[in-house]
Formats: sequence, C-alpha cells, structure tokens
Amino acid sequence: QQQVKQSPQSLIVQKGGISIINCAYENTAFDYFPWYQQFPGKGPALLIAIRPDVSEKKEGRFTISFNKSAKQFSLHIMDSQPGDSATYFCAASVVSGNTGKLIFGQGTTLQVKP
Amino acid sequence: DADVTQTPRNRITKTGKRIMLECSQTKGHDRMYWYRQDPGLGLRLIYYSFDVKDINKGEISDGYSVSRQAQAKFSLSLESAIPNQTALYFCATGGGAFHEQYFGPGTRLTVT
Repeated sequence: QQQVKQSPQSLIVQKGGISIINCAYENTAFDYFPWYQQFPGKGPALLIAIRPDVSEKKEGRFTISFNKSAKQFSLHIMDSQPGDSATYFCAASVVSGNTGKLIFGQGTTLQVKP
Repeated sequence: DADVTQTPRNRITKTGKRIMLECSQTKGHDRMYWYRQDPGLGLRLIYYSFDVKDINKGEISDGYSVSRQAQAKFSLSLESAIPNQTALYFCATGGGAFHEQYFGPGTRLTVT
C-alpha cells in the first residue's frame, strides 16, 4: 500500500512535443505529491508539487494533473526541450504524519530529440 | 547541491570492508535522510533522523547504520560491504511546511 507506481520507464519525445509521465498510488493517506528532476551526475531536485485539494498545478511548461478518485497523478511537460532530458521521479508523502518520508516511483528517463 | 555536500563522490571497495559515507548541510534543517538509488527501483529510504537523538529505520536498513554527529552532519556506514550494496547513495535534508527534501550530489559506491 506504500508503493507509488510510475510509467513509462523511458520516454523519447521530439523537441516541441508534450512529455507525459504517469504515477499511481494506493495509500489514500498520502497528501503531498512532488516531482523531482535528476540530471546525470546530480542529485534529484524538486521540480513541482501538488496537494490533493487541487486538480492541477502549473509552473511554466510543467503541469501536474491530479485525479484523487483514480489515485493517479501525472506530469506534463509542454514544448519539451533537449534541456529537459533527465530522469523524473514522482513521489508521495503523508505531511500530517510529520516524518517527511517520501515514497518514490521507479523513475522515467526522458530523452528529448532536437 | 552546494547546500548539501557528500563525501566521497566515488568509492570502490572490496567485499567485507567497512565504509563510511558522510553528509553535511548548511540549510539549517533538522531532518536528514539517506537513500539509495538503483536503476528501475527509484530511490529507497535507508535511514532518517529528526535530530541528533532521533534516528529511524527506513524501508531497507539491513546492512547499514547511521550516526548523527550534529544537526548538520549525518553519516552512513556499511559495516561489512557486499556487492549488492553497489548503488548510488544520496543524502537529503528536509524542511518547510511540506518537509520538502533537498538532495546532495550523491556517492557512487562500487563493492567488488
């Protein structure tokens, strides 16, 4: 019940296209859903996050869509650029539990072709 | 990444050796975490700490131990390294209303 399942494992998109990465969870106590971006040789960095009281959050070209009833959330990267090529991780936590523990998805390696 | 530093960045060691990975942070956060990253498995939590007197096991703590020497320092030890502990290891700090986590640059550990 603690798992977060992420798909696809890898994704190739043409420059200017839309990249979509999906995550699903089981634990209905999760109340914070961040996405992390990781470049080769670097640690993951927080990209964007959402709470379950909203269905969508947008920051620049990055949008999280959240479907509470389906227990799914997704990252959309509009107008994808070669510089977006990285590994993306979704995650979930229970903020009210106060541990701050994040449960991560398996990761998606995105390649944006010029 | 500069707010969270990890040493060493790369390490090759032999089976049975004891090894320590170190983490320091300047973000002033109380919470610190150790993760390991394996291809296809994402990041998995090894240990976490809320302060120097509060250490907690994560989902994969077997074969590992930690020490919180100060608010800013959190080290991970492999008492007797084995090849399946070959992985990328990340330290992170947590702060803010939602305990946002900030990661160090990682240590690539190879156990031969």
